[in-house]
Amino acid sequence: AQSVTQLDSQVPVFEEAPVELRCNYSSSVSVYLFWYVQYPNQGLQLLLKYLSGSTLVKGINGFEAEFNKSQTSFHLRKPSVHISDTAEYFCAVLETSGSRLTFGEGTQLTVNP
Amino acid sequence: EPEVTQTPSHQVTQMGQEVILRCVPISNHLYFYWYRQILGQKVEFLVSFYNNEISEKSEIFDDQFSVERPDGSNFTLKIRSTKLEDSAMYFCASSGAGYGYTFGSGTRLTVV
Repeated sequence: AQSVTQLDSQVPVFEEAPVELRCNYSSSVSVYLFWYVQYPNQGLQLLLKYLSGSTLVKGINGFEAEFNKSQTSFHLRKPSVHISDTAEYFCAVLETSGSRLTFGEGTQLTVNP
Repeated sequence: EPEVTQTPSHQVTQMGQEVILRCVPISNHLYFYWYRQILGQKVEFLVSFYNNEISEKSEIFDDQFSVERPDGSNFTLKIRSTKLEDSAMYFCASSGAGYGYTFGSGTRLTVV
């Protein structure tokens, strides 16, 4: 079975600073990887996904993530954050032969002025 | 942009009552899912549905739960006899090719 660990439960940063949200996963088979964002009282919105190919994946709102197979990581980055990026971010993994997404615990990103 | 629509947004029910949560997936998607998020906890998989049958379910999805696609557009989750611990946000999702899961805004179920 797969599992996902998000290493930071809360990340406070100042506006225009860079940010990295860390995600490590564990699986005995090949996986696809995802990052979702959840704004207050809203659903889960897909930021980006890694299925195959280039290990650097670009998503919406200026976010990108890099798949590192040897370190089993899929960290999310943004070079300059805005107040509007304040939200909960979830890393998720899907076994290539399965249908269930397994989510991490989430990281609350708070961008301060 | 196509959306997954869930109704109601919030439902309060008495313990032991049956509830039906409703979802309208994206029209050309073929795979449908239910997830839940207990307050303060991670999002958990409940069930996936394809070709009018359950394709995978988690250990959470016991006999109290059932899913149905009663017509060409709706996808429902029924909880037969609700317990306090069923209180959670329930998310419906759908996907087509390319593993682009689209989630709805959720139904907050409160069991009292």
